[in-house]
Amino acid sequence: DTGVSQNPRHKITKRGQNVTFRCDPISEHNRLYWYRQTLGQGPEFLTYFQNEAQLEKSRLLSDRFSAERPKGSFSTLEIQRTEQGDSAMYLCASSSVAGATDTQYFGPGTRLTVL
Amino acid sequence: DAKTTQPNSMESNEEEPVHLPCNHSTISGTDYIHWYRQLPSQGPEYVIHGLTSNVNNRMASLAIAEDRKSSTLILHRATLRDAAVYYCILPNAGGTSYGKLTFGQGTILTVHP
Repeated sequence: DTGVSQNPRHKITKRGQNVTFRCDPISEHNRLYWYRQTLGQGPEFLTYFQNEAQLEKSRLLSDRFSAERPKGSFSTLEIQRTEQGDSAMYLCASSSVAGATDTQYFGPGTRLTVL
Repeated sequence: DAKTTQPNSMESNEEEPVHLPCNHSTISGTDYIHWYRQLPSQGPEYVIHGLTSNVNNRMASLAIAEDRKSSTLILHRATLRDAAVYYCILPNAGGTSYGKLTFGQGTILTVHP
């Protein structure tokens, strides 16, 4: 078990460009979450998947954001036409739903800087 | 999610116990109490969770008040590596105690050598 991995760890892009991040969850974890964290704030929920189904999206997730989890394994988060306000740390977490509650295991995050 | 209230910051000396409080007066009967922490430049890390009884693991202990309206995370011997932001969270989605985590400001713990 190598934990949750995220790639790339850092991404610098120019405003208006599209970016895609990848998250590889802990194997056999059926839930996968995306969060965003700006400087000095706690992480904010964006969306989550149970297996391949996207079950909830935050109002923070504008039309420029799209997330997928094909085959219920890894997930991608794409931001189209990036804006400077998208600069943040994007965190992925995974968990296994078994019982009355779950524990989320976070990856190291992808830091996005939009110039 | 039920709202939690934590002090903005706390300080401790190395090798001393630390008690981090959390108030959650609107907790419902099925809400689990979760604690996560975030070390500098890292993703959040699960610490411990509980429902009614006190809980212990290798990282910490969780003491839950009898009325469940408050809880305390206990680090028995703080080390410099425990310096982090500690979050008390009550996950709740559709009546179940799992799902998205709503992070507040948390408590910034400073550990002095």
